[in-house]
Amino acid sequence: DAKTTQPNSMESNEEEPVHLPCNHSTISGTDYIHWYRQLPSQGPEYVIHGLTSNVNNRMASLAIAEDRKSSTLILHRATLRDAAVYYCILSAFGNEKLTFGTGTRLTIIP
Amino acid sequence: GAVVSQHPSWVICKSGTSVKIECRSLDFQATTMFWYRQFPKQSLMLMATSNEGSKATYEQGVEKDKFLINHASLTLSTLTVTSAHPEDSSFYICSASPVTSGSQGYEQYFGPGTRLTVT
Repeated sequence: DAKTTQPNSMESNEEEPVHLPCNHSTISGTDYIHWYRQLPSQGPEYVIHGLTSNVNNRMASLAIAEDRKSSTLILHRATLRDAAVYYCILSAFGNEKLTFGTGTRLTIIP
Repeated sequence: GAVVSQHPSWVICKSGTSVKIECRSLDFQATTMFWYRQFPKQSLMLMATSNEGSKATYEQGVEKDKFLINHASLTLSTLTVTSAHPEDSSFYICSASPVTSGSQGYEQYFGPGTRLTVT
């Protein structure tokens, strides 16, 4: 599976937008970009996924670079409940396996 | 929708005993479920892929005779840790993909995890 690189940690103020970056320079044409997050002592939670076009859902937006070598998860208005470890994961079409990296630990400052 | 449950949420057992953990998809069917293990302050490690009606596929380094997986129906997979030892103490998490995920990329839904402590 192609590898992703994320910052170890980020901080953001409550009620402000958060942009979480992910680099995936070796992504292949059929790899989907997935984002999951994990709150303390819980299982991961699906956030969003996409292939080429930007995606929006009720939780977040996913902005995918034109060359697909990077993507950004956007939380439009951070709340304290968004404090979690965010994982950016690639998976090939037809392959359901997810390989978790170390993710980005997001801290929200009240 | 798309809820996955695990039972028990936590368990303490003595060294040498076996423990069974259940993973259920409550409102969808899943032909494939996954089992992960997570040690403190580490990321999730995939242990095995569980397919309904067939044998599980284990990741390299995971002992299939120690971690028995059964996927008897489209909504239930079980993980049995046999002859548990203190080093098996960990957070065990399952996940499942709805059968309709298909060509749109796969969304996986995770259970809340089971914390196993072996004394």
